[in-house]
Amino acid sequence: DGGITQSPKYLFRKEGQNVTLSCEQNLNHDAMYWYRQDPGQGLRLIYYSQIVNDFQKGDIAEGYSVSREKKESFPLTVTSAQKNPTAFYLCASSIFPSDTQYFGPGTRLTVL
Amino acid sequence: AQSVTQPDIHITVSEGASLELRCNYSYGATPYLFWYVQSPGQGLQLLLKYFSGDTLVQGIKGFEAEFKRSQSSFNLRKPSVHWSDAAEYFCAVGADSGGSNYKLTFGKGTLLTVNP
Repeated sequence: DGGITQSPKYLFRKEGQNVTLSCEQNLNHDAMYWYRQDPGQGLRLIYYSQIVNDFQKGDIAEGYSVSREKKESFPLTVTSAQKNPTAFYLCASSIFPSDTQYFGPGTRLTVL
Repeated sequence: AQSVTQPDIHITVSEGASLELRCNYSYGATPYLFWYVQSPGQGLQLLLKYFSGDTLVQGIKGFEAEFKRSQSSFNLRKPSVHWSDAAEYFCAVGADSGGSNYKLTFGKGTLLTVNP
């Protein structure tokens, strides 16, 4: 089955620790995205990548980092510099940047 | 920059009743328009999209939406709601955000409750 997988589904970390969220797609899509979702806030763009080895900051990139070494993978690291990291994180991909985005199942990160 | 407004935070309808969820956008040209649905703790599923052409678009699960340029709206409708339609619905606008960078901007969502 083609799709987007995110792991783990739930993640707990202590304050001050870095944590990496996984996003993998087998749709052969060029573009990948990371969004953060907070209750009542909709989705906000953290980072996006239009092609391998290239990525750009979104609206709320502070405290986050990404890499795009393979077309299929776009991991997101939440660093200790992120002031309020507890949220639901969604990964998405599209064939090319202006095409329809398809979403993974999400990872809920809780920082204790 | 584009923006999206979903005026209704929460809507409650009875099963079998009709539904209309409102979406208004702000953008200088005609953007790409999308409706997504999200069940609790899940990712977003695409219901339908408008890129160009016929302004009435059909989607999955019996949903449709109509693009009205004069009102900058893209309202989602369903003639008869089922209990399984209870979820949160997001309208999104895709457009160039400057520097040839395409961006998808989401509304804050409308939570739909369906009463038996």
